[in-house]
Amino acid sequence: DAMVIQNPRYQVTQFGKPVTLSCSQTLNHNVMYWYQQKSSQAPKLLFHYYDKDFNNEADTPDNFQSRRPNTSFCFLDIRSPGLGDAAMYLCATSRTGGEETQYFGPGTRLLVL
Amino acid sequence: QKEVEQDPGPLSVPEGAIVSLNCTYSNSAFQYFMWYRQYSRKGPELLMYTYSSGNKEDGRFTAQVDKSSKYISLFIRDSQPSDSATYLCAGGYQKVTFGTGTKLQVIP
Repeated sequence: DAMVIQNPRYQVTQFGKPVTLSCSQTLNHNVMYWYQQKSSQAPKLLFHYYDKDFNNEADTPDNFQSRRPNTSFCFLDIRSPGLGDAAMYLCATSRTGGEETQYFGPGTRLLVL
Repeated sequence: QKEVEQDPGPLSVPEGAIVSLNCTYSNSAFQYFMWYRQYSRKGPELLMYTYSSGNKEDGRFTAQVDKSSKYISLFIRDSQPSDSATYLCAGGYQKVTFGTGTKLQVIP
């Protein structure tokens, strides 16, 4: 089945220790998104790729970076995680962006000790 | 003011009840609207997609959009315990903006 896969599902890291979250998709969609969702809050868009073009949201901290080496994979790098970065990180894809439907992965729950 | 507002709930209903979930939004530029269902510790799953104003029905689910009042609704008929989840509404034009979600609990 075509889908959006995120690994790992749970990630524990130490304060200040870099961490990388992974997303892959078999939908062959052009656009991939990373959202941060804290408990009882709306998903907050961090950035997205349209193909290889990177689009950063204005309020996304510099601590968050992303890489998209090919159509299928996208990575979220948190360079120096703080306690406030503990959250669910959601990857989503859409065929062409804009009004196209976004399909979400199951998320990675990040815990910072 | 948040662009998309939802009552966080929780909303508890007995099995078989009709559920009404509502959102208001402030951004007049929104052209399309969505409802996502999110089970605990899972990613959001698209339920309904509506372009502009009007109604859309899919099985037990009906979505309504009233752009004149900036009001979005989701109705669930014959609610089931498996409908227990958080329901996120969203509006979009160039990008999607989500509400915080309403937690629904359907009691058997």
